[in-house]
Amino acid sequence: AQKITQTQPGMFVQEKEAVTLDCTYDTSDQSYGLFWYKQPSSGEMIFLIYQGSYDEQNATEGRYSLNFQKARKSANLVISASQLGDSAMYFCAMREVYSILTGGGNKLTFGTGTQLKVEL
Amino acid sequence: EAGVVQSPRYKIIEKKQPVAFWCNPISGHNTLYWYRQNLGQGPELLIRYENEEAVDDSQLPKDRFSAERLKGVDSTLKIQPAELGDSAVYLCASSGRRDRYGYTFGSGTRLTVV
Repeated sequence: AQKITQTQPGMFVQEKEAVTLDCTYDTSDQSYGLFWYKQPSSGEMIFLIYQGSYDEQNATEGRYSLNFQKARKSANLVISASQLGDSAMYFCAMREVYSILTGGGNKLTFGTGTQLKVEL
Repeated sequence: EAGVVQSPRYKIIEKKQPVAFWCNPISGHNTLYWYRQNLGQGPELLIRYENEEAVDDSQLPKDRFSAERLKGVDSTLKIQPAELGDSAVYLCASSGRRDRYGYTFGSGTRLTVV
C-alpha cells in the first residue's frame, strides 16, 4: 500500500523568503507519480507540480520546485520568494504511474498536509 | 473551459436526514472521483468511475452511502441517513486520458451534520 508522510503540521515563512515543505513516501511500486497540491481556505485543490519516478531531473514550475530524492523516498516542495497569497494548506500525494492505457485513472493517496503561513 | 462544478457549496443537516451532492466534471473527462476530506486530514478516495462504471468503491461505506454516474457524465453522491461523523468536505475530481499531471478538483461541498 502507498503511504505519504508530511511531518510539518504548520510552517511560517517571511515574505520573499524560500520555504521547504517535507514529504516522504512509501511504496513497493517501481513506477509512480508524486504531486503537490495547494488548498486555500476556499477549499479547492490546486495542482502545483508533478514528478515521475523515472524523471531524471527535478521538476520545476515557476516559483515551485520539487526536490526529489528517490533513494531516500522524499519529494520536498520548495517555494521560492514566498508571497502572502501562498498562505494555504499544502498536500503531497502519490499515485501509480500514469498510463495512457488506463487513462491515468488511479487514485491519489494524500498526506495529512502542511499549513503554510506567509508573514510580512 | 469550465472546471469541475460541485453543488451545493455548503450543507447543514440534522443527523439521520438524507443528503445528496452533485458533480459535473470537465467535458470529455472519462474518469470521475469522489473524495472525502475530514478536518485536518488529506482527502481519501470514496469511489472512482470510469465512464458510468464504478471501478473502485472499496472505501465507500455502502450501508449508508451510494453514488451514481448516469450516462458517464454528471455524478451524484448520497448519504442516507447521515451521521455526525459524516461531517467533512466532499471533493469531486475528474481526469482525462491525456491528463498526465493529475486531476482537476472541484471546490467541494462542506457538509455539517448536527
